[in-house]
Order: sequence, then C-alpha cells, then structure tokens
Amino acid sequence: GEDVEQSLFLSVREGDSSVINCTYTDSSSTYLYWYKQEPGAGLQLLTYIFSNMDMKQDQRLTVLLNKKDKHLSLRIADTQTGDSAIYFCAELRNNNAGNMLTFGGGTRLMVKP
Amino acid sequence: DGGITQSPKYLFRKEGQNVTLSCEQNLNHDAMYWYRQDPGQGLRLIYYSQIVNDFQKGDIAEGYSVSREKKESFPLTVTSAQKNPTAFYLCASSNTFYGYTFGSGTRLTVV
Repeated sequence: GEDVEQSLFLSVREGDSSVINCTYTDSSSTYLYWYKQEPGAGLQLLTYIFSNMDMKQDQRLTVLLNKKDKHLSLRIADTQTGDSAIYFCAELRNNNAGNMLTFGGGTRLMVKP
Repeated sequence: DGGITQSPKYLFRKEGQNVTLSCEQNLNHDAMYWYRQDPGQGLRLIYYSQIVNDFQKGDIAEGYSVSREKKESFPLTVTSAQKNPTAFYLCASSNTFYGYTFGSGTRLTVV
C-alpha cells in the first residue's frame, strides 16, 4: 500500500465543509502539501505547511497538522461544486537522491448541489 | 509566464511503436520527474532527474527511457517493451521546498 494514506472518496453537499484526511510515515518530513487535480488536468498546488506549524489558513482552506500522530487534514469551508476534484497529500522526504515528494493515493471529493 | 509544458496533450501509439512525450520548463528548476497515472489511481514515479545529464529510475521504470541533456527538457520515451502503456503521464519540476510544479499531462492510448 501507499506510505502516505488517504481515504478514497468523500461526498458532501454544496455549502457544507469538507475535511480530507491524510496520514504520513516519516516523522522527519519538513514540509507537507495538498494538491488538487481536476479531470484530465495536472496537479495544482493548493497549499503547504511547514512541520513546525500546527495550522495554516488560506481563505477557505485550513490545514491542520498533528505531528505526534503524523496526521494532516485539509478543511474546505463552504464547499462549492467547483471544488469537486481529486485531492492529494504529499510529504517531503530527504533520501540519497535528495528531496522528493511522496504522494498519497488521492481522495476524490464529490460536491452535490 | 514561467511554467512547465507537456506535449502533445493526446497521443496514440500502435503496438510495437516507440513514442516520445515532451516536457519543457522555463522555471529554471534543477529537478524534473515523470509520473504515470492510471484511471482512478494515484501517481507512480517512472524516472527522475535531479541535475542535467543525470537521471534515476523510479518505481516503474521498465519499458521507459529518458534523457536530460538540457536543464529545460526531460523527454520520456515509451518503448515497445512497455506492455501496457495506456495511461495519463504527468511531468513535474522543482527547485525548492515549495513543492512540485506539474504540467497538464499527456494521455497516451494504444490503438
């Protein structure tokens, strides 16, 4: 399985909040990221958080980081139909090849009108 | 505007043919990556390059080849040895801790 774990699917109603969860494995990861992928498109960086932070807010997006549990979450307030997409979390790891991202398998968010 | 460009957007390959997917970036990024994405699946790393004239195999390199002769360019060749090449291919680049920048992808279909 994936080293970075995400649930496969989330369905919410328009206007509700969405919370997408992610668990990672490397406690030494310095940066963690959230990406959005719309159908047939590449991945778009939504936000990132440095490991010494617990929370980061950017307009409708709130990222929470629990380092003790290696748990990362993305909350989308007032979810819109345009938020329907696949969301990937990723952690930055340093290995012999340098810094590289390890991605989760993605969570498909469906927003119902 | 700086960015990363993949071409073509759609590509059709006949059985036994080699095809090359283009990836060009003008972000002055040192590192570049190729991923494969199958329907409903996550990303799988094919090859990566941290610097010009050097590249490393990822998790699923068999049946693929790359070159990195210029900093801006990291083309991926899907060879006839790749038995199931139909997929969505994504190229990315990075230079800092601010994540990867992705191209818009190439959808390859075997006909």
